[in-house]
Amino acid sequence: GAVVSQHPSRVICKSGTSVKIECRSLDFQATTMFWYRQFPKQSLMLMATSNEGSKATYEQGVEKDKFLINHASLTLSTLTVTSAHPEDSSFYICSAPERGGLTDTQYFGPGTRLTVL
Amino acid sequence: QKEVEQDPGPLSVPEGAIVSLNCTYSNSAFQYFMWYRQYSRKGPELLMYTYSSGNKEDGRFTAQVDKSSKYISLFIRDSQPSDSATYLCAMSEDGGYNKLIFGAGTRLAVHP
Repeated sequence: GAVVSQHPSRVICKSGTSVKIECRSLDFQATTMFWYRQFPKQSLMLMATSNEGSKATYEQGVEKDKFLINHASLTLSTLTVTSAHPEDSSFYICSAPERGGLTDTQYFGPGTRLTVL
Repeated sequence: QKEVEQDPGPLSVPEGAIVSLNCTYSNSAFQYFMWYRQYSRKGPELLMYTYSSGNKEDGRFTAQVDKSSKYISLFIRDSQPSDSATYLCAMSEDGGYNKLIFGAGTRLAVHP
């Protein structure tokens, strides 16, 4: 299957700082990428859909000014958590569908664990 | 009512047992059904993918979809300790380019 990477895998930051998370499709082009958040022992909740060359689409309740998404190329989407606070501490996971792949579904990155002190 | 219901477990079974994991859903427009496996602190890994109703088998894994009952299942035969993980069902109306709706995930522990 397709491979999606994320960087960093883990980040610890102070309250009030901004953190950028990268999501890359390694062996395929992704015009669309998805960003999820997962709290401990809970399922994945979609935050936003990232579209190459256009504005992201945010799910209800997700602050677009706090979670900035940029999808500048066909292989890279970034999520910036601005002015992070302890309640933003979570596991952030991106995914991308592989166009023309064997399955019409999404492949997930390994996730980024964010801890805000 | 959630769109997708999945018992979070935990489910504990002995090695070699047959495991049955299930999800129910309410949206009749769902046509794409997936099972993902997630190890602790890792991203979900696609296990099984099914379009519409029917069965699909891959090694020790069998996925079943019954759209008339809005019920999907994942069976694991000859379960191994390495199968210990959280299993997430996911569904979509229009395939991978649209949002997936996940179940809560079932935590499975296979003990030797």
